[in-house]
Amino acid sequence: KAGVTQTPRYLIKTRGQQVTLSCSPISGHRSVSWYQQTPGQGLQFLFEYFSETQRNKGNFPGRFSGRQFSNSRSEMNVSTLELGDSALYLCASSLVRDEQYFGPGTRLTVT
Amino acid sequence: GENVEQHPSTLSVQEGDSAVIKCTYSDSASNYFPWYKQELGKRPQLIIDIRSNVGEKKDQRIAVTLNKTAKHFSLHITETQPEDSAVYFCAASIGGGGADGLTFGKGTHLIIQP
Repeated sequence: KAGVTQTPRYLIKTRGQQVTLSCSPISGHRSVSWYQQTPGQGLQFLFEYFSETQRNKGNFPGRFSGRQFSNSRSEMNVSTLELGDSALYLCASSLVRDEQYFGPGTRLTVT
Repeated sequence: GENVEQHPSTLSVQEGDSAVIKCTYSDSASNYFPWYKQELGKRPQLIIDIRSNVGEKKDQRIAVTLNKTAKHFSLHITETQPEDSAVYFCAASIGGGGADGLTFGKGTHLIIQP
C-alpha cells in the first residue's frame, strides 16, 4: 500500500498571505490528523477529521482550518500567515484506534 | 489538557549498549502510548506502542514498559546499532480512534557512538 502523501513538500510564502496544504491518507484510512512541528514547540496537534467531520481541535488560532473530502483526502489552510507559522506541517492517517502513520510533511517558510 | 515530559533530551551510548528513554504523562485518562522515531529530514515513524491494559510490550530489540500508577512509560533499546541514531518521541492519547490527537514529548536525540 502507498503511504501517506503530502503536497507540496516545500512552500515559501510572505506574511499576510494564505496557504493550502494537501494530504492523501493511506488507502482505506478514514481519519486524518494534522500536526505542526517546530524546533521550539515540538510536535503539536492541530485537528483531526473523520468522515468529513472535524472531531477534535488543538490549541491553535482560528487562522488554522481544515477540511476532509469524501475520499478521505484532507486539506489544511492557514490564513494571514505570520513568521511564527514557519514549520513542518505533518499529516497522519489512521485505520484502527490510535495508530497514526505520518506523511513526509510540508515545509512552510514564511518571510 | 494532557502534558507529556520526556527525558533525557540527548542520550549518547556506545554501540552495542542499551538505551532507555523515559516519559511521564499527566492525564490519568490517557490509554494509548506510541513511540516514534524520526531521522533527520524524514517523517516520524511509529516503532512501537502500548495500551493501558498492558504493562510491557517487546518487538525484537525494542521494548516499552508502562506504569499506570506512576503515570510513566519507557522505551528500551538493546544492542544499539548505528542506524538507531535518531530523535525519538513519546506520545500519549486518551484514545477514541485518534480523535483526541497525540500529545508528544519534546523528543530525545539518541546518538550511537561507534
